[in-house]
Amino acid sequence: GAGVSQSPRYKVAKRGQDVALRCDPISGHVSLFWYQQALGQGPEFLTYFQNEAQLDKSGLPSDRFFAERPEGSVSTLKIQRTQQEDSAVYLCASSLGGLAYDWRNEQFFGPGTRLTVL
Amino acid sequence: QQQVKQSPQSLIVQKGGISIINCAYENTAFDYFPWYQQFPGKGPALLIAIRPDVSEKKEGRFTISFNKSAKQFSLHIMDSQPGDSATYFCAARNQGGKLIFGQGTELSVKP
Repeated sequence: GAGVSQSPRYKVAKRGQDVALRCDPISGHVSLFWYQQALGQGPEFLTYFQNEAQLDKSGLPSDRFFAERPEGSVSTLKIQRTQQEDSAVYLCASSLGGLAYDWRNEQFFGPGTRLTVL
Repeated sequence: QQQVKQSPQSLIVQKGGISIINCAYENTAFDYFPWYQQFPGKGPALLIAIRPDVSEKKEGRFTISFNKSAKQFSLHIMDSQPGDSATYFCAARNQGGKLIFGQGTELSVKP
């Protein structure tokens, strides 16, 4: 079956533009996570959805960042008025269960969207 | 504390050698410790994982050693191969399901 897919794979934006990044999780996966990975660094948590509910958005760096998952499947991460410091790879991951599923509840990652803000 | 500290930043190993990557954490509430492998242009992929009530887990050439009292864990890659050349991340999961990643180790296995 298909894994997690993300689009676009690459996005170049001028400073101040709005961008929207899409994540298609594995079908049937309840949990969806967004991470930000700066060059040469480990991924950093942004936000978490269980179905359509956004249960944790503590990692969103500013109110310019907004995520949604309206039907509990596809998710969109939107960044308004992009800044150069937003340049990074944005990773989406999904897992089968919710937080109380089982001890492993493996997160499967997509290939990421590389955002470059000029 | 939410940090996970990983070392070394980079590692060069000869083919057939043992690669060792170390991580340390502070938060005793972490309940799951996975290692991820990432190739350029790809997302991280789960390699092996361990629970804190187990001291060692082995899957093929990959072994996690876990020291709960020292709050440290390590990845050992036996008989390292050029195809193992990638960036490796340790991580720890908090009770909210959030993965906290280390800074990564770039492994290069020389033929």
